[in-house]
Amino acid sequence: EIVMTQSPATLSVSPGERATLSCRASQSVSSNFAWYQQKPGQAPRLLIYGASTRATGIPARFSGSGSGTEFTLTISSLQSEDFALYYCQQYNHWPLTFGQGTKVEI
Amino acid sequence: EVQLLESGGGLVQPGGSLRLSCAASGFTFSSSPMSWVRQAPGKGLDWVSSIGGGGDATNYADSVKGRFTISRDNSKNTLYLQMNSLRAEDTAIYYCAKNEATTYFFEYWGQGTQVTVSS
Repeated sequence: EIVMTQSPATLSVSPGERATLSCRASQSVSSNFAWYQQKPGQAPRLLIYGASTRATGIPARFSGSGSGTEFTLTISSLQSEDFALYYCQQYNHWPLTFGQGTKVEI
Repeated sequence: EVQLLESGGGLVQPGGSLRLSCAASGFTFSSSPMSWVRQAPGKGLDWVSSIGGGGDATNYADSVKGRFTISRDNSKNTLYLQMNSLRAEDTAIYYCAKNEATTYFFEYWGQGTQVTVSS
């Protein structure tokens, strides 16, 4: 099983600042990698797939990069609605696995 | 607009069974792989099972293999999860998710249905 490790567990930032979230895979997942956002009481929402492609309707301030085992989600200028939990996921191998999440808080 | 509506959750005793359903609309259901993902209280996301568009290819997490069965009825645009021999650790919100046509990231999610396993 591929283990996905996210860092940091919690990221404290101010509105307007840049946020950088990391995810590491225990073995290569090529670019078969996605990021999700989840707000309290809501289902997750797809942000990024293919490591760097924004999903439909996702603002340009969200960007993804990386391949292989190291991936990054960058939020260029945090808006109030971006404070949430973020999960990474690999879909290169079965079983599909998620990271444990990074909480972005004010 | 893609819509996924789960139902069938509830309170069940350990060892009991439940069948979850997910009614899909807004896309060509038979062309889309589908999945179930769960989230235990206060915990992260946990993939449970996936099924190909034709219903022939299935995959399961080790934690549910032999106890849960995923299936679909493409004539009814509905995904199912039959859950047997339920355990306390199966307590979670269960989300139905649409996968992209050829890969297994989760493109759209339902609102989830709560399953509680307790005596």
